[in-house]
This record gives sequence, C-alpha cells and structure tokens, in this order.
Amino acid sequence: DIMMTQSPLSVAVTPGESASISCRSSKSLLHSNGITYLSWYLQRPEKSPQLLIYQISNLASGVSDRFSGSGSGTDFTLKISKVETEDVGIYYCVQFLEVPYTFGAGTKLELK
Amino acid sequence: EVQLVESGEGLVQPGSSMKLSCVASGFTFSNYGMNWIRQAPKKGLEWIALIYYDSSSKYYADSVKGRFTISRDNSKNTLYLEMNSLRSEDTAMYYCAKDNSGYLDYWGQGVMVTVSS
Repeated sequence: DIMMTQSPLSVAVTPGESASISCRSSKSLLHSNGITYLSWYLQRPEKSPQLLIYQISNLASGVSDRFSGSGSGTDFTLKISKVETEDVGIYYCVQFLEVPYTFGAGTKLELK
Repeated sequence: EVQLVESGEGLVQPGSSMKLSCVASGFTFSNYGMNWIRQAPKKGLEWIALIYYDSSSKYYADSVKGRFTISRDNSKNTLYLEMNSLRSEDTAMYYCAKDNSGYLDYWGQGVMVTVSS
C-alpha cells in the first residue's frame, strides 16, 4: 500500500497569514497517462470532508483561490493564503493512483 | 445539485450484520464509480471499498475484505454496503463518495455505525 505522510500534524495560524502543509507519498503518484493522482480535502468540525484540490493543483468547484497545491512525484504542498476562520479543520492528502486509496493522517489547522 | 444521502445508522452487537444505503441525486449515477470511506471516532479517514459504474469491478481494503460487500442498483440510484461479522473496530462514521475518475468530488453526510455488546 502507498503510505502518505503529512507534516506538520497541527499548525496554529494568525488570521490573515499563510499556512503550508506538506504531504509525501511512499511511491510516485504519477500515472503513465501523465496525471498525478494526489488530492487535498478539508474536514471542518463535525462535517464531511470537502474536496479542495485534485491532481496536485486543480481547484475544486466553489473552492476559494486562497487554496493552492503544488508538487510532483512524491512531494506535495497545500498552501492556504490569508487564513480565515472558516479554514479551521483537518486537512488530508490522499492518493488515488491505486487501490487501496490511502489518506495522510491529517493536519489540524487552528487559529491563534 | 449533487446529493448523497446515507442511511442505515445504528448500534449492533459484535458478530452481527448491517446494511448501509446511499441514495444519489443530481448526477447520472450509472456513469460513476462509487466508494465507501469510514472514520473511526477521533481518527483519520480510511477508504474501504470501490465499485465501478457498471459493477464490473469491486475493490476492498484488507480490513474489510471477505466481510463487507459493496453493491449498487443503478435503477434506484442507490449504493449499498453490506457488513457482516462486525467487530468493535468497525465502529465508525461511514461515508459514501462519488468517484470522478481520479478523485472523490462529493461526499455524503455520513452515518454512524456502532458495534458494541
């Protein structure tokens, strides 16, 4: 199984500042079709996970452009600019290259 | 508007069975793969099963293989998860999610399954 490792596991951010979350996979997520199957989700408290970013850097419909994704191969980053109250929650990276799909442990974002 | 509504929540004893349903609307259900993902209390997300749009292929996590069965009825826009030989470690919130060929773009609200004597 592909292991997904996120860091940090928690981060406290002052509203208006930026935050970055890293995700590393144990195997390249680049498929032979040229697509890299790495996505990011936000789970707000007591809510279902919400898709933020798919295929490294594509913003999901309706998601604020304060969110951006980057990376390649096995190393990926989610950046949140101008953090707002509504950004509080747990962020997960996940690989969809092969089953079993595997999630990172999650990064809890809190406000200072 | 895409909606996924799970049902079947409940408390069951270890060793028993339970069936979850997920009714889909707002998209052509028969065109998309569907997944079940679960989340134990205060834990992370665990993918557990995938079924192709036409039921031609099904995949399971090792943790549920041989005990859980994913199925679908495209005429009813409904996804199912039949769970047998339930264990305390199966206690979790269960989510269904739409597979957009490389990512899960919509998730249901989840249903809680509690396995306890």
